[in-house]
Amino acid sequence: DTAVSQTPKYLVTQMGNDKSIKCEQNLGHDTMYWYKQDSKKFLKIMFSYNNKELIINETVPNRFSPKSPDKAHLNLHINSLELGDSAVYFCASSQGDRERANTEAFFGQGTRLTVV
Amino acid sequence: GNSVTQMEGPVTLSEEAFLTINCTYTATGYPSLFWYVQYPGEGLQLLLKATKADDKGSNKGFEATYRKETTSFHLEKGSVQVSDSAVYFCALRATGGGNKLTFGTGTQLKVEL
Repeated sequence: DTAVSQTPKYLVTQMGNDKSIKCEQNLGHDTMYWYKQDSKKFLKIMFSYNNKELIINETVPNRFSPKSPDKAHLNLHINSLELGDSAVYFCASSQGDRERANTEAFFGQGTRLTVV
Repeated sequence: GNSVTQMEGPVTLSEEAFLTINCTYTATGYPSLFWYVQYPGEGLQLLLKATKADDKGSNKGFEATYRKETTSFHLEKGSVQVSDSAVYFCALRATGGGNKLTFGTGTQLKVEL
């Protein structure tokens, strides 16, 4: 019955590799997000999709590419991984259009990425 | 731009103590305000929210009141338990912001016996 599920939970990989993190939500929400949490717990939005359309693309290296095959899925692909990419990546979803602000986001359990 | 400022931690309290975690915000328009909690090794869970001025959000003994005049949304609990130990995040979502949440830096709470 998991609402927002992301896989894998842990990912250890070498510098220079390419990896993907998958996210799925079964809440019927229109909007999905990727957030990055650094070692100091600071959370920053990376991307947001509304009905498969990219609506937020914060200052993120173009090695990061989100892909939304349908509105229930938002995957994150990372090319040429660097040490500084090590962090916890959270997927989230929410209902509502771009203008409404009163709906909360539901978060996945996070993917801890460690680049060695 | 939008921003959230919350008190730095860690905050260490004895069980049954009173908790306040301060949160102030800067936003255009009329934001909704949220408190999320992150238990060790887990994702973020919504704790409570308020969507307009003077609204009070409450859940699990925690409360926060949306104060437009002071642009604040302080989190309070009358008697904390060891199980409340977690990181607490204040966040806002502003209209026209593409639905993104802007988070504060998080405040770690440790409750000891």
